[in-house]
Amino acid sequence: GESVGLHLPTLSVQEGDNSIINCAYSNSASDYFIWYKQESGKGPQFIIDIRSNMDKRQGQRVTVLLNKTVKHLSLQIAATQPGDSAVYFCAETPAGGTSYGKLTFGQGTILTVHP
Amino acid sequence: NAGVTQTPKFRVLKTGQSMTLLCAQDMNHEYMYWYRQDPGMGLRLIHYSVGEGTTAKGEVPDGYNVSRLKKQNFLLGLESAAPSQTSVYFCASSYGVRLNTEAFFGQGTRLTVV
Repeated sequence: GESVGLHLPTLSVQEGDNSIINCAYSNSASDYFIWYKQESGKGPQFIIDIRSNMDKRQGQRVTVLLNKTVKHLSLQIAATQPGDSAVYFCAETPAGGTSYGKLTFGQGTILTVHP
Repeated sequence: NAGVTQTPKFRVLKTGQSMTLLCAQDMNHEYMYWYRQDPGMGLRLIHYSVGEGTTAKGEVPDGYNVSRLKKQNFLLGLESAAPSQTSVYFCASSYGVRLNTEAFFGQGTRLTVV
């Protein structure tokens, strides 16, 4: 079946560095992509999203890049802080107006930020 | 506001026992969802509801039932628990049809079936 996966299961960075978390997806009909942050013992928290008609979107300290040609998504975190340590998931929904939460999640990347 | 509240937070069941997980949201959201999360994996959709009195199957519905008798509550039932149902269960709700900035997740319920 269609899937969304991550290249790297773990990422360790120093505080202040920039972090890049990658995600590959296989469904060419994917319409909408989301990055979630999940801290230990908590539910996923929305970070940033991007639609398939865009290739870049910026938030506060985060940027999502979408390359539809190679079906690749990345999350860039600027000036990474210890509070950014968490598991990061990419997720996608197919095209259509009623996805009903049928998100397909990637495996997750563990980001560890060392002070 | 409390947002999305799940009860209980932890539970241990014996194989064959039944239980109900409760999800409550106070944001007047139409859409509610139950996901399960297994180690090293993302969330998988079990069942969802697009409004009071309606439910539908998600990606992994077998072994679970749900009910949405009140708009603010979404119940997930396990009639005969199996070890394969050991997981962390997350409830979420959203106003719109897409899970984006409108979506909120609960803290999760850690279920162990022995």
